[in-house]
Amino acid sequence: QKEVEQNSGPLSVPEGAIASLNCTYSDRVSQSFFWYRQYSGKSPELIMSIYSNGDKEDGRFTAQLNKASQYVSLLIRDSQPSDSATYLCAVKAGSNAGNKLVFGAGTILRVKS
Amino acid sequence: GAGVSQSPSNKVTEKGKDVELRCDPISGHTALYWYRQRLGQGLEFLIYFQGNSAPDKSGLPSDRFSAERTGESVSTLTIQRTQQEDSAVYLCASSPHPPPLHFGNGTRLTVT
Repeated sequence: QKEVEQNSGPLSVPEGAIASLNCTYSDRVSQSFFWYRQYSGKSPELIMSIYSNGDKEDGRFTAQLNKASQYVSLLIRDSQPSDSATYLCAVKAGSNAGNKLVFGAGTILRVKS
Repeated sequence: GAGVSQSPSNKVTEKGKDVELRCDPISGHTALYWYRQRLGQGLEFLIYFQGNSAPDKSGLPSDRFSAERTGESVSTLTIQRTQQEDSAVYLCASSPHPPPLHFGNGTRLTVT
């Protein structure tokens, strides 16, 4: 079982719709969770971080965390063509594992205008 | 302010040659990470530094790979006797505390 799993996609949504990106992780003691966006040929950039169960909103982005289900998601409201990119989920394990950050393989999002 | 800087941005080398990749982290960032990304794939963890020490080297693929960091600043990733499967983008990232990470633009390595 991979440490961090994501559906590779592509996920296609029409402009203005809500895009829902999902991620599961295997280490039950994981504490910190991140979503990165990566445009083709570019390096990843941080979109959201979330540390406790529930929802965290930042503009059009909402991160959701459910530690009991070992599940984290990213919702993008009012999707725009400029949101088309690969979205990477990243998980930091518990404190005994140091500061290693493990990435999923990413989900390709395509927003159609 | 300056971000994470990596050099060279592109490197083409012949199979069997050694290469050195350099990373200049954001000033004051104590943690530094190296990842590898093959074409169309996710980020593969290689190693991370806390200060000048490397608590986790578990991702280094073989003993041909090594990394060091000095002055709690610059880091170099060295690949000896390069192989074609080493071709990838090598990404460096730094952070002031535990994650989140700030990434450089990467070094694209092509082994011919």
